[in-house]
Amino acid sequence: TQLLEQSPQFLSIQEGENLTVYCNSSSVFSSLQWYRQEPGEGPVLLVTVVTGGEVKKLKRLTFQFGDARKDSSLHITAAQPGDTGLYLCAADSGAGSYQLTFGKGTKLSVIP
Amino acid sequence: EAGVVQSPRYKIIEKKQPVAFWCNPISGHNTLYWYRQNLGQGPELLIRYENEEAVDDSQLPKDRFSAERLKGVDSTLKIQPAELGDSAVYLCASSLDVASGLTDTQYFGPGTRLTVL
Repeated sequence: TQLLEQSPQFLSIQEGENLTVYCNSSSVFSSLQWYRQEPGEGPVLLVTVVTGGEVKKLKRLTFQFGDARKDSSLHITAAQPGDTGLYLCAADSGAGSYQLTFGKGTKLSVIP
Repeated sequence: EAGVVQSPRYKIIEKKQPVAFWCNPISGHNTLYWYRQNLGQGPELLIRYENEEAVDDSQLPKDRFSAERLKGVDSTLKIQPAELGDSAVYLCASSLDVASGLTDTQYFGPGTRLTVL
């Protein structure tokens, strides 16, 4: 079973600060996804990264897939209270399973 | 376009009682997933359907859990009897067509929060 480790588990920052959260594994993945989940809601897909070394930007969010496709990071610039939520990474081994394995998530609180 | 609909949103039952959750996926989505999310954890897949066929149920505790997707649209997940450890959020998700060979975007419903007393 693939294990995705996310860090930090909790993060509380002031509005306007920058932050980076990480998703690491010892396994190689064909693709990796980042989701944000707000209280009482299901996860919502933010981005999918497929190629090693790939960088994708979504407004103030920058996602990077490691060269070896074993790790990923999410960087948020000038965090806003609306960024508050649980950030989950999920990976597909690509071994024909079409099954996503989720990490435990990073719970982010952005204080106004 | 309506998203994935789940009901009920909340359910409180006593242990040993049965409970059922209902999911209506996005129209036209062939693949349907049931996940369980324990407090402080990420979602864990319970079962995946391709149309009406359960193609991956390896993580479903079959002694007390059952699921069905009649006619390949709506789905029901049942627990009988419920145990204290079943308290969790049960999420349903759907995607267009995983058979295309790629991990297709999964759209999640809001979940049903189950509390077993």
